[in-house]
Amino acid sequence: GQQVMQIPQYQHVQEGEDFTTYCNSSTTLSNIQWYKQRPGGHPVFLIQLVKSGEVKKQKRLTFQFGEAKKNSSLHITATQTTDVGTYFCAGPTSGTYKYIFGTGTRLKFLA
Amino acid sequence: GAGVSQSPSNKVTEKGKDVELRCDPISGHTALYWYRQSLGQGLEFLIYFQGNSAPDKSGLPSDRFSAERTGGSVSTLTIQRTQQEDSAVYLCASSLPELAGGQETQYFGPGTRLLVL
Repeated sequence: GQQVMQIPQYQHVQEGEDFTTYCNSSTTLSNIQWYKQRPGGHPVFLIQLVKSGEVKKQKRLTFQFGEAKKNSSLHITATQTTDVGTYFCAGPTSGTYKYIFGTGTRLKFLA
Repeated sequence: GAGVSQSPSNKVTEKGKDVELRCDPISGHTALYWYRQSLGQGLEFLIYFQGNSAPDKSGLPSDRFSAERTGGSVSTLTIQRTQQEDSAVYLCASSLPELAGGQETQYFGPGTRLLVL
């Protein structure tokens, strides 16, 4: 069945450093969504990408959708403590509204 | 309501008991999803409703799990004869897939934390 993998599983950074998480699907996606889950919280929608090669920015966050629509990335520039949490990508199975979530990348800060 | 609500927020039960988890989606949202999240893990899809029907039940782990949705609104996830491995956070989400522009944002509830002793 369809699989959505994310790497890395964890990333520890110093505040001010950049952070990137990569998402790879075993099948072509019609769109891809990104969610953020704060520790102890529930996932919150960040963005949806639809077009091949699409790039969207939200302040310090840059989202990319691959040309083949099978991979995506989220890059955070100059991380801040408010960025802490787990970032999930999610893609729909073909022809349905069923979304498969990636394994998530947890962003943590070094003390 | 203003957002997706779930009840109870926490549930502790004994192995072998049945539990019912409730989800109230955002008013007017036609799609409703149930996910399970074990500690520190990703989201595991359980079931999806479009209106009152469930086109996809493929994620239900076993026949002990069932879900229904009535009136195109409230949904109940039932776990019969609970096992310790059922312990997890059960998240509900709703969306309006027909929204113009096709943005199928899922709005998540706070979850029900289930602990089976």
